[in-house]
Amino acid sequence: DAKTTQPPSMDCAEGRAANLPCNHSTISGNEYVYWYRQIHSQGPQYIIHGLKNNETNEMASLIITEDRKSSTLILPHATLRDTAVYYCIVRAGSGAGSYQLTFGKGTKLSVIP
Amino acid sequence: NAGVTQTPKFQVLKTGQSMTLQCAQDMNHEYMSWYRQDPGMGLRLIHYSVGAGITDQGEVPNGYNVSRSTTEDFPLRLLSAAPSQTSVYFCASSSGSSGANVLTFGAGSRLTVL
Repeated sequence: DAKTTQPPSMDCAEGRAANLPCNHSTISGNEYVYWYRQIHSQGPQYIIHGLKNNETNEMASLIITEDRKSSTLILPHATLRDTAVYYCIVRAGSGAGSYQLTFGKGTKLSVIP
Repeated sequence: NAGVTQTPKFQVLKTGQSMTLQCAQDMNHEYMSWYRQDPGMGLRLIHYSVGAGITDQGEVPNGYNVSRSTTEDFPLRLLSAAPSQTSVYFCASSSGSSGANVLTFGAGSRLTVL
């Protein structure tokens, strides 16, 4: 699987948009970009994923650059409950590499009142 | 739906003891897996199963045993616990093993081995 690079920490003011970047410059054509978050030591929570196109759901938006080498997770109106570690993960679409998610250290997002 | 249910939530063992961490899902998911998370680290895959009767090793399988006799259950066995197995364990499942299938995680089981 391709590796990802994320900033170790970010701050965001409550009510503002949180933009979390992720670099995955070695991503290949059939690999998905996934975002999960983990609050304290709870189980990772799925946020969103995409292959080539930008995606939006009730939690967030995912913007993938045209060359697919980087992406941005956008939380449109951050709340204190969004304080968590956010993981950007590249996952193979098929084959042995699709069987696991490779978690890095993620970005610790702190939402400030 | 309850999703992915893990028991127990907390467990303390002595070195050499054995135990089983239970994982059950009610979503009729084919794919199930176990991860461990050590302090300050990301999750690492221990074992996985792509369907009943089929299991395989992940990144860190040593010291753990699994079986998959039903679609719903995927227990993780520690045969002789060691302090290095002190960790938080997460079970996860998805409807398939391809990259398009979203993995749903349980709440975790925190294990301490003295």
